[in-house]
Amino acid sequence: GAVVSQHPSRVICKSGTSVKIECRSLDFQATTMFWYRQFPKQSLMLMATSNEGSKATYEQGVEKDKFLINHASLTLSTLTVTSAHPEDSSFYICSAESASGRANKFSYEQYFGPGTRLTVT
Amino acid sequence: KQEVTQIPAALSVPEGENLVLNCSFTDSAIYNLQWFRQDPGKGLTSLLLIQSSQREQTSGRLNASLDKSSGRSTLYIAASQPGDSATYLCAVYQGAQKLVFGQGTRLTINP
Repeated sequence: GAVVSQHPSRVICKSGTSVKIECRSLDFQATTMFWYRQFPKQSLMLMATSNEGSKATYEQGVEKDKFLINHASLTLSTLTVTSAHPEDSSFYICSAESASGRANKFSYEQYFGPGTRLTVT
Repeated sequence: KQEVTQIPAALSVPEGENLVLNCSFTDSAIYNLQWFRQDPGKGLTSLLLIQSSQREQTSGRLNASLDKSSGRSTLYIAASQPGDSATYLCAVYQGAQKLVFGQGTRLTINP
């Protein structure tokens, strides 16, 4: 249970174009999804938190007009990198929190997708 | 601001050894702490989740402990195997939903 998928797993795009990454919770409903970025040999950094049906909350330093997040349903969130540049090349990982998984206030847990490798040329 | 530090940054040991990975965090007001494994170029695999009210969790050859008051957690791996080679990440749940990650420990188990 608690499987999260991402598509595509790898994408190469030209500078100036936009690319969309999908994150899906396959066997549970996710009220909240999270997007992380990981640069080579570095740890994961939270980019934004999205709740189904509402606007995403972005972390400090993350451009909301560049990284568009849509959480249109309880099983799908998308991240669109607009006007991509080589410095946007990174490993993007999403996670999802189960709507029913919060049995008590101590039981928060995020389930992670396999990641998407974005290369901007 | 919560900071998570993992020591050592890299570790190389012969197969069969028991080993300990360390994680420390600056703000003890956390909900849960989670240990992950990440293989090169891959996503995260959850290993153990320790709730704030717990002191340890065990899964197979893995044992994770949590001492909130001192801001420390350890991941103990017994009888290490070459397949355990990976980067191990420690992360704390700050404010219920926000996960703050450490930089990871890159573990190599030599046959």
